[in-house]
Amino acid sequence: EAGVAQSPRYKIIEKRQSVAFWCNPISGHATLYWYQQILGQGPKLLIQFQNNGVVDDSQLPKDRFSAERLKGVDSTLKIQPAKLEDSAVYLCASSHGGLGELFFGEGSRLTVL
Amino acid sequence: KNQVEQSPQSLIILEGKNCTLQCNYTVSPFSNLRWYKQDTGRGPVSLTIMTFSENTKSNRRYTATLDADTKQSSLHITASQLSDSASYICVVSFESGPYGGSQGNLIFGKGTKLSVKP
Repeated sequence: EAGVAQSPRYKIIEKRQSVAFWCNPISGHATLYWYQQILGQGPKLLIQFQNNGVVDDSQLPKDRFSAERLKGVDSTLKIQPAKLEDSAVYLCASSHGGLGELFFGEGSRLTVL
Repeated sequence: KNQVEQSPQSLIILEGKNCTLQCNYTVSPFSNLRWYKQDTGRGPVSLTIMTFSENTKSNRRYTATLDADTKQSSLHITASQLSDSASYICVVSFESGPYGGSQGNLIFGKGTKLSVKP
């Protein structure tokens, strides 16, 4: 079974530039999540999708972050404009739904200079 | 306030030795507790998921315990190997919440960074 795929693995940008991350969840998983993990901390949920609908985006900085999940499969997370404090690993995860097991991708490491 | 605290923050042990990582939580109402292993530069991988009624759960050399009365969990690693070097994250979920049991009710600890030396 293929795992959660993310790209790019690494991205370096200057502040005020924009960046986009892509995620392809495990086939059949209706629920998709984006987490932000700052060095030395646990992951923090940014947004949760159920199919192509948003379930929870209460911690998403909506003035600069946006995410979409077209057709209920792949998802894209965008940051525009980036700030220094956005430097982190962005993890995508998926599950069958509810409180089932969560499967994480390898993450996209963002460095903002 | 719902919180998950892990200790120690970091730990260095010699290969072949055992170790125990601690997790204390104040999450309520409790649904389940999970331990994840996160290798450097990789995404977290699930080790165990424990519900209220489970006291012990093993996965190869990893044994997790749960005391729902004291709201404490531990992860015991037996006969450590170099490949055990990683961060171990404790995650506790709500029984219910504004999103009816969604993964948005997960509370992550900051993790314990384990280094196994030869």
